[in-house]
Amino acid sequence: LAKTTQPISMDSYEGQEVNITCSHNNIATNDYITWYQQFPSQGPRFIIQGYKTKVTNEVASLFIPADRKSSTLSLPRVSLSDTAVYYCLAGLQGGKLIFGQGTELSVKP
Amino acid sequence: DTEVTQTPKHLVMGMTNKKSLKCEQHMGHRAMYWYKQKAKKPPELMFVYSYEKLSINESVPSRFSPECPNSSLLNLHLHALQPEDSALYLCASSQGGRVQGPTYEQYFGPGTRLTVT
Repeated sequence: LAKTTQPISMDSYEGQEVNITCSHNNIATNDYITWYQQFPSQGPRFIIQGYKTKVTNEVASLFIPADRKSSTLSLPRVSLSDTAVYYCLAGLQGGKLIFGQGTELSVKP
Repeated sequence: DTEVTQTPKHLVMGMTNKKSLKCEQHMGHRAMYWYKQKAKKPPELMFVYSYEKLSINESVPSRFSPECPNSSLLNLHLHALQPEDSALYLCASSQGGRVQGPTYEQYFGPGTRLTVT
């Protein structure tokens, strides 16, 4: 399982684009990159998953360079309600999702 | 219906009590999970059930006893807990389980906030 490293915290303002980068140097060939979002006192919520290049859905975009050693979650035009912890996960360990430390995003007015 | 429900929302129990946490999903998912989350920490996997059979036990102490009565229900029986077991207990479900490749999206419930006194 690839160990992930992401910033502990980030600050942003409403309306800005936020990019959270995750490092996963030891990612294996079969590993996919997945991002979850968690609000206080709630369970995590799946945001997006990808293998290479770019994936986009109604919530976010995920950019994965050719070497796949990192990935960037992009949140367009954040609002106060995007304040949450964002977890990057790379691959499965024996069928298990392992959550890293996460990035605490604070969006200010 | 993409909801996972958990009851109770809050639970306070003494170290000699026996209690149970309940989790329910009606999405037809065949994999269900228990996680434990301490404050300011990521969720930690405890148990995985796949097709109603326990497939993963992350070396959890025996004072935590999971049960999957049917494909929609998951219980966590608690007995003789310690104060350090106080945490948010999260249940999740997914369509299935894989050992590699793309992961199935896990749907999480809101959790049960457990306090052991």
